[in-house]
Amino acid sequence: QQQVKQSPQSLIVQKGGISIINCAYENTAFDYFPWYQQFPGKGPALLIAIRPDVSEKKEGRFTISFNKSAKQFSLHIMDSQPGDSATYFCAATSRDYKLSFGAGTTVTVRA
Amino acid sequence: GAGVSQTPSNKVTEKGKYVELRCDPISGHTALYWYRQSLGQGPEFLIYFQGTGAADDSGLPNDRFFAVRPEGSVSTLKIQRTERGDSAVYLCASSELGTSGRARQYFGPGTRLLVL
Repeated sequence: QQQVKQSPQSLIVQKGGISIINCAYENTAFDYFPWYQQFPGKGPALLIAIRPDVSEKKEGRFTISFNKSAKQFSLHIMDSQPGDSATYFCAATSRDYKLSFGAGTTVTVRA
Repeated sequence: GAGVSQTPSNKVTEKGKYVELRCDPISGHTALYWYRQSLGQGPEFLIYFQGTGAADDSGLPNDRFFAVRPEGSVSTLKIQRTERGDSAVYLCASSELGTSGRARQYFGPGTRLLVL
């Protein structure tokens, strides 16, 4: 039973464009929402994270938007670059350790 | 500094065999996690160690799976009587517990297990 639903499964964006990935959850006990970036053959790496007491968090070209009432959150990648081509996973947890991941979104940035 | 390392990077075995997968966490990290990632899916939690003890093993799929961390550092995931459905990438992560309680998990590159 997947606790975090992620869409789209894949997307293609032109260099300089905006990539948007959406996630939804049901478990209202979740209180920490990280995003991970994974390159082929590598483990996931933490990109950015948010807690539900804020609606938006920005780090460089990456922004998380969080809608607590809708139980949805999204990742925006601004000015997408070819080096951003990777698989992105949203995740959620109600504890420090037990991350529940979405199924992932493969982002391809065309030069 | 050195990140989380996992050995072997690839393991091919036959159905019914026993395998051991090793994880070396970042030095000083007290928390260690195992996840399993099937093709095209996100990682799924298997087990969490705090120090030497398994604080939560609720993600282990059945009693063929077992993990140890005898000295609170290196961990071994053991799979008995492997089945083709066990084929996946097994990821290990480690973290330190900050005062905020929000532990950043650092993942290793994974062990790709193929059961023929």
